[in-house]
Amino acid sequence: EVQLVESGGGLVKPGGSLRLSCEVSGIAFSLHSMHWVRQVPGKGLQWVSSIDTRGLNMYYGDSVKGRFTISRDDAKNTLYLQMNSLRGEDTAVYYCARDFSDWGQGTMVTVSS
Amino acid sequence: DIQMTQSPSSLSTSLGDRVTITCHANQDIKTYLNWYQQKPGKAPKLLIHDASGLETGVPSRFTGSGSGTDFIFTITSLQPEDIATYYCQHYNYHPRAITFGQGTRLEIK
Repeated sequence: EVQLVESGGGLVKPGGSLRLSCEVSGIAFSLHSMHWVRQVPGKGLQWVSSIDTRGLNMYYGDSVKGRFTISRDDAKNTLYLQMNSLRGEDTAVYYCARDFSDWGQGTMVTVSS
Repeated sequence: DIQMTQSPSSLSTSLGDRVTITCHANQDIKTYLNWYQQKPGKAPKLLIHDASGLETGVPSRFTGSGSGTDFIFTITSLQPEDIATYYCQHYNYHPRAITFGQGTRLEIK
């Protein structure tokens, strides 16, 4: 069974940083592109970032470009999202996804003073 | 940038009804389109890939069609467990960009 488990969410002040993790099991993690998608509670889905296999290429949505960094550790079967210079509008549930076929349960990030 | 326009934003339906949701792209996206179901408090679930491919284990009452700029998602006979919000999603490889539609919330009349 494929499992994706996010962690690292929480409350952070504007301008602060947070690192999200997504631990993956049940699949050959290194063979798959991975993604982060976020959702403001009660609102729609927004793509945040993607990373290809072996971390060869990383891609970002316009709203996070220059502030967020996606990475992966294939030895640990783990995907990361380093979020810097956080803003109120980054408040959302953050999901990780494998090829968009499998998703984690999400982790809540709240940016507030 | 590619924009996806999904309609309607909400739909009041009855059990057994045929439900149709549309998604329009502002430029040709071939069949690079997925459809998702999301229930409250849960992660999205991929139902249809590449415009018309049914994901393994997804009931056959869910169908997708279209190519280019116009796409249709259909539930042929609405079941109680289908009450959810549905999203279309375009994915582009070069350059990589992923865009979701605004979502369609299904409600029971």
